[in-house]
Amino acid sequence: GENVEQHPSTLSVQEGDSAVIKCTYSDSASNYFPWYKQELGKGPQLIIDIRSNVGEKKDQRIAVTLNKTAKHFSLHITETQPEDSAVYFCAASMGPRGGSYIPTFGRGTSLIVHP
Amino acid sequence: GAGVSQSPSNKVTEKGKDVELRCDPISGHTALYWYRQSLGQGLEFLIYFQGNSAPDKSGLPSDRFSAERTGGSVSTLTIQRTQQEDSAVYLCASSRDGGETQYFGPGTRLLVL
Repeated sequence: GENVEQHPSTLSVQEGDSAVIKCTYSDSASNYFPWYKQELGKGPQLIIDIRSNVGEKKDQRIAVTLNKTAKHFSLHITETQPEDSAVYFCAASMGPRGGSYIPTFGRGTSLIVHP
Repeated sequence: GAGVSQSPSNKVTEKGKDVELRCDPISGHTALYWYRQSLGQGLEFLIYFQGNSAPDKSGLPSDRFSAERTGGSVSTLTIQRTQQEDSAVYLCASSRDGGETQYFGPGTRLLVL
């Protein structure tokens, strides 16, 4: 099955700096890569996603890049703010499977943005 | 509109007892997923329901775990004879017609003493 590795497990930055979180996946058939943000005591929330036919996608301060050949994808957050502090999860899925996308998640990155 | 809701938000139980966790998906979403999140771990897929199709139970860790979905809406995850290793956050998500975007509930934090 699919295996997703995520690094780093913890990332500490100063407000205004950029943050980069990297993930690798094992199955070349994976074609959908979402990123989730989980704040303390809450469920994960989708913040951005990318499909395998696209190399980069941006949404304001966040961007995701995908390298299909190397099977890795990254989340970039620019001009970080304290409210960006959370746990971020990457995921990979090949779908639809049985009519849906069931992703495999990375172990998460705890991002801490210091004021 | 209302998001995915789960109850209870926290549950403390004794080893060997049975527990039931409830999930109310977003109205109109036909797909419903259960995940388990252990401390410091990613999300582990447990089970998936889509409409009237047979559920995908491939992620259930043992036969002590079961889930049902009544009327295509509310779902209940049941853990029988709980063990300490069952302690985790249990997350429910739903999506429209099994689409890519999943909306998660706040989770139920289960502690087995």
